[in-house]
Amino acid sequence: DAGITQSPRHKVTETGTPVTLRCHQTENHRYMYWYRQDPGHGLRLIHYSYGVKDTDKGEVSDGYSVSRSKTEDFLLTLESATSSQTSVYFCAITTIYGYTFGSGTRLTVV
Amino acid sequence: GENVEQHPSTLSVQEGDSAVIKCTYSDSASNYFPWYKQELGKRPQLIIDIRSNVGEKKDQRIAVTLNKTAKHFSLHITETQPEDSAVYFCAAYNTGGGNKLTFGTGTQLKVEL
Repeated sequence: DAGITQSPRHKVTETGTPVTLRCHQTENHRYMYWYRQDPGHGLRLIHYSYGVKDTDKGEVSDGYSVSRSKTEDFLLTLESATSSQTSVYFCAITTIYGYTFGSGTRLTVV
Repeated sequence: GENVEQHPSTLSVQEGDSAVIKCTYSDSASNYFPWYKQELGKRPQLIIDIRSNVGEKKDQRIAVTLNKTAKHFSLHITETQPEDSAVYFCAAYNTGGGNKLTFGTGTQLKVEL
């Protein structure tokens, strides 16, 4: 898995509840990214991090927050989940081979 | 910011034929253009990439071309096989702009027997 894992793999949650997705890497990469994938939209950047405590917004950041308190973990939080946030979420790191993606988290908000 | 457009959204070819997917980008500062293949239920995986100082790159049955003047790049798959069926994404990357990839919307390629 190229040293990157996501958890959980699947989650169903109710509208209005908070949800946190975790991305974990084992190779000390500086850059980490969260994307969401939706039919017809491809992969869209939510937030990214360029170091511990250094994060920035992507093109679809509304309704999401992130934290990176240590190099290996990048957390994505939906403060109050909405049905429009039903999606597949991918974490990625930058390696010498370009981007490497995690296996994804399928989130369903009901 | 960068905008990447990808066409077609779906492509059906007969086994053994060639397939071409085209992308355009908007930011002339973009300098790295990878292509990803995503099989159903799997993560996107890098299949080939090209940098802005190169016009063409080949890897067995796959090739990518880049026209910096026109700001477009293409993926060419020759002698297609059923296992080439997948969704393909192009992307553009500006190494001087936050190291972020901007993706196209994807092409569903179906190789029919």
